[in-house]
Amino acid sequence: AQKITQTQPGMFVQEKEAVTLDCTYDTSDPSYGLFWYKQPSSGEMIFLIYQGSYDQQNATEGRYSLNFQKARKSANLVISASQLGDSAMYFCALRTYGNNRLAFGKGNQVVVIP
Amino acid sequence: DTEVTQTPKHLVMGMTNKKSLKCEQHMGHRAMYWYKQKAKKPPELMFVYSYEKLSINESVPSRFSPECPNSSLLNLHLHALQPEDSALYLCASSQEPGQLPYEQYFGPGTRLTVT
Repeated sequence: AQKITQTQPGMFVQEKEAVTLDCTYDTSDPSYGLFWYKQPSSGEMIFLIYQGSYDQQNATEGRYSLNFQKARKSANLVISASQLGDSAMYFCALRTYGNNRLAFGKGNQVVVIP
Repeated sequence: DTEVTQTPKHLVMGMTNKKSLKCEQHMGHRAMYWYKQKAKKPPELMFVYSYEKLSINESVPSRFSPECPNSSLLNLHLHALQPEDSALYLCASSQEPGQLPYEQYFGPGTRLTVT
């Protein structure tokens, strides 16, 4: 079974500052992928970034980057230069190869303040 | 086009009504999903269709009945729902079932209220 842990309480971030969202995971499968999604209050889940278990480099996508520490089983999301539109719930999720189930963490609420 | 559409956006129904939620994607994806999400919680998987066949049913009550008429369409038929079924229902699709790195693309959701 796969498990994702996101334990940070709601976060307030100053506009233009960076924020790091923690995610730890547990799986015995060597082949897996980690996904981060953003969910604004409107409800839509927006895919942000992906990291594969065999990827040698940390994933980056615009202002989003992933701090992937495989030995520690952590995949923290870093959002640089926060914008007001970044206020949302952020979910970390894991899926193993051959499996259609996406295991979600409980999410991190982020509020960006001007 | 990386869009999954869902209709309706909002739905209010009584416990004796029958209604359907509709989901559509034109990305050629071969896996489609239904999720239920309560406020402040992560989405919970309900059903998965792979190549138009039901591959996962997460022990969902029979008052929810999924249907995949073709590779682009996914329906969720609702009948005799309970107030606790009120939630955001999300549809998603992904390119190849079970394969990495294919992410799931989500639709905007249908906010369902059962009265």
